[in-house]
Amino acid sequence: GAVVSQHPSWVICKSGTSVKIECRSLDFQATTMFWYRQFPKQSLMLMATSNEGSKATYEQGVEKDKFLINHASLTLSTLTVTSAHPEDSSFYICSARGTGLLTDTQYFGPGTRLTVL
Amino acid sequence: KQEVTQIPAALSVPEGENLVLNCSFTDSAIYNLQWFRQDPGKGLTSLLLIQSSQREQTSGRLNASLDKSSGRSTLYIAASQPGDSATYLCAVRNAGNNRKLIWGLGTSLAVNP
Repeated sequence: GAVVSQHPSWVICKSGTSVKIECRSLDFQATTMFWYRQFPKQSLMLMATSNEGSKATYEQGVEKDKFLINHASLTLSTLTVTSAHPEDSSFYICSARGTGLLTDTQYFGPGTRLTVL
Repeated sequence: KQEVTQIPAALSVPEGENLVLNCSFTDSAIYNLQWFRQDPGKGLTSLLLIQSSQREQTSGRLNASLDKSSGRSTLYIAASQPGDSATYLCAVRNAGNNRKLIWGLGTSLAVNP
């Protein structure tokens, strides 16, 4: 089946630094990738949707200058949390939607746990 | 605006029981509905996807039904096992141009040996 990987699986950083999270579709091409954030005991919250080669579409309330998304190829999207603060600590999950027969389904990565000290 | 509700929020059962998790949605104009499993601190595993034209889907001990007109879906787990312990999330994809996934808060299931 379709596999999505994320790297790193967890990261701890100091306040004010930037952190980059990678999301890769391993065995399919993903025209659209999604980035979610999940706080403890809450459901997933969509942050942004990105299509390969174009700018990401951010959800209301999500700062595009703080959460930089790059979808440079059909198998890779990156999320950079700039000038991270403790309130950015969360579980970040990416998801990829394929082409053709895979268009209807989103495949999810294993998530990245970010802790900002 | 589509809203997805899951009940119960938490469930604890002894091993071997058959159980039902419920998901309801407010707007019946959906494209599909999907059930996911999430283990603590982990990502999501897709369990079953039901297209809007379908009534149910089955995979092993899992059966998901969809009643679009009443805005309901159920996930039936037969002969539950401790390994089934996880949070089960229901997500609805709206019909039309805005096909975002709308998520429920999940049902946290504990199956006790």
